[in-house]
Amino acid sequence: AQKITQTQPGMFVQEKEAVTLDCTYDTSDQSYGLFWYKQPSSGEMIFLIYQGSYDEQNATEGRYSLNFQKARKSANLVISASQLGDSAMYFCAMREGDSYNNDMRFGAGTRLTVKP
Amino acid sequence: EAQVTQNPRYLITVTGKKLTVTCSQNMNHEYMSWYRQDPGLGLRQIYYSMNVEVTDKGDVPEGYKVSRKEKRNFPLILESPSPNQTSLYFCASSSTLNRGTEAFFGQGTRLTVV
Repeated sequence: AQKITQTQPGMFVQEKEAVTLDCTYDTSDQSYGLFWYKQPSSGEMIFLIYQGSYDEQNATEGRYSLNFQKARKSANLVISASQLGDSAMYFCAMREGDSYNNDMRFGAGTRLTVKP
Repeated sequence: EAQVTQNPRYLITVTGKKLTVTCSQNMNHEYMSWYRQDPGLGLRQIYYSMNVEVTDKGDVPEGYKVSRKEKRNFPLILESPSPNQTSLYFCASSSTLNRGTEAFFGQGTRLTVV
């Protein structure tokens, strides 16, 4: 079963505006971590932000923030003041805390295009 | 500089010709894994390794082999590649499997099997 769902294959945003990329997840673990990675056209995977399941505050890293709604099992990425360099694929991932293989599981990704 | 290094970055091969994609990390990480990335499917785990000589199948292991003889290296082997293994491959390493541990990724290997 798909553990991470990203329902937006593609998104467009005007430069300098904010954009929200959706991510929902499925787990029965109480302890888990949620991550967002950025993949520019060059292909590398760049870590952006992390949210732990026990964290009460939403994570923020510069222009990135994570809108964590635990009861709804959602972990949306908010990018404020979009820049042309934000155009990339964005992946949501989860690492469950109680599994033997705690490796990351990824969503299908959202391709963000920032328009000038 | 802490990094995960994959080689080659690009590879075009023919069906059935054995190939190896190398992966090396310099962070002394115990945990390493291989993913493949396909459009609409995201990254799917192929194999993982908890430590030297400890490897196990991930979600899509068919057609792949791995070995972990040294802590730093985790090569991916395709004994008889087929066109459905055309994909973008990533090697990743983590210091632990704790829920908050970031995974470090290699630059990716774009493989085409014709």
